[in-house]
Amino acid sequence: DIQMTQSPSLLSASVGDRVTINCKASQNINKYLNWYQQKLGEAPKLLIYNTNNLQTGIPSRFSGSGSGTDYTLTISSLQPEDFGTYFCFQHNSWPFTFGSGTKLEIK
Amino acid sequence: EVQLVESGGVLVQPGRSMKLSCAASGFTFSSFPMAWVRQAPTKGLEWVATISTSGGSTYYRDSVKGRFTISRDNAKSTLYLQMDSLRSEDTATYYCTRRYPVMDAWGQGASVTVSS
Repeated sequence: DIQMTQSPSLLSASVGDRVTINCKASQNINKYLNWYQQKLGEAPKLLIYNTNNLQTGIPSRFSGSGSGTDYTLTISSLQPEDFGTYFCFQHNSWPFTFGSGTKLEIK
Repeated sequence: EVQLVESGGVLVQPGRSMKLSCAASGFTFSSFPMAWVRQAPTKGLEWVATISTSGGSTYYRDSVKGRFTISRDNAKSTLYLQMDSLRSEDTATYYCTRRYPVMDAWGQGASVTVSS
């Protein structure tokens, strides 16, 4: 199985900060990488699919990049509603797998 | 509005069976592959099973293969997960998701607790 390693596992940042969350795959996943945000007690929400495609309705401060084994989710200017846990997900090779999550706290 | 509403979650003893349902509305259910994803308490997300639009193709993670069955009724716009021989490690919130593997819509989740 492809292992997805997210870093950092915990991130504390201030409103207005530029935030980056990283996801490293154990092998090339050919940009088949999605990002989800989950708030406590809620279902995950799709933010980005296939590395850099912004899901409809998601603010443009969210962006994704990467290739090969290394991928990044960037929030250009952190807003109070952006707290939560962020997961990456690879769908290049079966079984498709999630990262372990990055918990984003607002200072 | 796209809606996915799970039902059927409950407390069940190890070795017993349970069936989850996911009622879909607001979109053409038969046009989308669907999946179940689970999340154990305070843990991360884990894909469980996937089904094609017609139901003719299904895929499972190894740990549930032979015990879980994913199915769908396109006439009723409903997705199912039959879970047999349940184990304590199956304890989780189970989410149904649309348009796997993009997963652009999720239900609110059904809680399944396997315990004696």
